Amino acid sequence: KQEVTQIPAALSVPEGENLVLNCSFTDSAIYNLQWFRQDPGKGLTSLLLIQSSQREQTSGRLNASLDKSSGRSTLYIAASQPGDSATYLCAVRETGANNLFFGTGTRLTVIP
Amino acid sequence: SQTIHQWPATLVQPVGSPLSLECTVEGTSNPNLYWYRQAAGRGLQLLFYSVGIGQISSEVPQNLSASRPQDRQFILSSKKLLLSDSGFYLCAWTVKGGQGLNEQFFGPGTRLTVL
Repeated sequence: KQEVTQIPAALSVPEGENLVLNCSFTDSAIYNLQWFRQDPGKGLTSLLLIQSSQREQTSGRLNASLDKSSGRSTLYIAASQPGDSATYLCAVRETGANNLFFGTGTRLTVIP
Repeated sequence: SQTIHQWPATLVQPVGSPLSLECTVEGTSNPNLYWYRQAAGRGLQLLFYSVGIGQISSEVPQNLSASRPQDRQFILSSKKLLLSDSGFYLCAWTVKGGQGLNEQFFGPGTRLTVL
């Protein structure tokens, strides 16, 4: 069964720093990988989706990479801001599957 | 544009009472629909998904059930709530496989507390 792991579980950085969040998955037969943001008590907001054939996707200060063969993805956040404070979740969809497998998330705190 | 609604936003129910949570999607047709639960300090657990009206797949055995009476309506129910049913319930949708990127979109969630 697919297992998704996110390290670290929590991260605290000063404002302005660049940072990397990690996601690993055990089965490389994925269709796509999606990064989400969740604010406390709220639903999930989709940030980036990478298809299995892609290596990276960018949106503003966010860049997500995918190395399917090694079962890894990273989310790079440039010039972090206090408003980036949230829990970041990655999820993979396996080929032929309807559902996503989620990691437990990284709680990010950006200190002003 | 597509939007997804969930209600109620919060709910406090006694043990043994029934439950009905509703999710509706606007701006798309024939979506795949999903119910997830997020317990405190834990990841998202897929409970049910549906690929069409009346078609429900259950991912975990539990005292919850789901129904899809209309194309864009997904309902989560229970006849008798347990304390362990407390959590944050999220509804989500995607387009059908092969019809786009299959990006998954989530609703705002329902916070359920069972006392």
